[in-house]
Amino acid sequence: KNQVEQSPQSLIILEGKNCTLQCNYTVSPFSNLRWYKQDTGRGPVSLTIMTFSENTKSNGRYTATLDADTKQSSLHITASQLSDSASYICVVTPTNAGKSTFGDGTTLTVKP
Amino acid sequence: GAGVSQSPSNKVTEKGKDVELRCDPISGHTALYWYRQSLGQGLEFLIYFQGNSAPDKSGLPSDRFSAERTGGSVSTLTIQRTQQEDSAVYLCASSLEPTVRGTEAFFGQGTRLTVV
Repeated sequence: KNQVEQSPQSLIILEGKNCTLQCNYTVSPFSNLRWYKQDTGRGPVSLTIMTFSENTKSNGRYTATLDADTKQSSLHITASQLSDSASYICVVTPTNAGKSTFGDGTTLTVKP
Repeated sequence: GAGVSQSPSNKVTEKGKDVELRCDPISGHTALYWYRQSLGQGLEFLIYFQGNSAPDKSGLPSDRFSAERTGGSVSTLTIQRTQQEDSAVYLCASSLEPTVRGTEAFFGQGTRLTVV
């Protein structure tokens, strides 16, 4: 069964600090991996997408990395802001179906 | 509209009643997805429509759940004889192509269903 596991489940950091969220997956064969940000009460919004051949992708203060050999991805947030408080969801899509597998997400709380 | 629109935004229903949730995808998007998100949990896939192909219903939790997509656009998710465990946020997403090709899926705001 294709799985996507995220860690930690929740994280609390102080404003201005950096943090790294992890995503391990077993989805195969792999097509692409997305990180979504979901604010409370809203639908997820895409932050980055990476395909098999990409190792890193940045979007402002968000940097995602991908190691396709170990099937691991990370999302690094630098100089955190209060508005970064949200759930971050890792989504992996296989090549043989249009159906993606979602991780349970990491809930990030940024405190002043 | 500019984004995926879902209605109603909130729905409270009595146990045993039927409910219909509506999703208006972004115009021109051929792929449409329904997900369910229980409080504090991740997204659970329900059903996937792609163009004129037969929908992937593998995520529907029981035969009380059904969905249709008329004219390749608007979709309706129907839950019959609702149970308390059906309480969740139901999210709809659409994409220009299947996300296997790397296309981003855009999500609606969701419908929060509460079964009392």
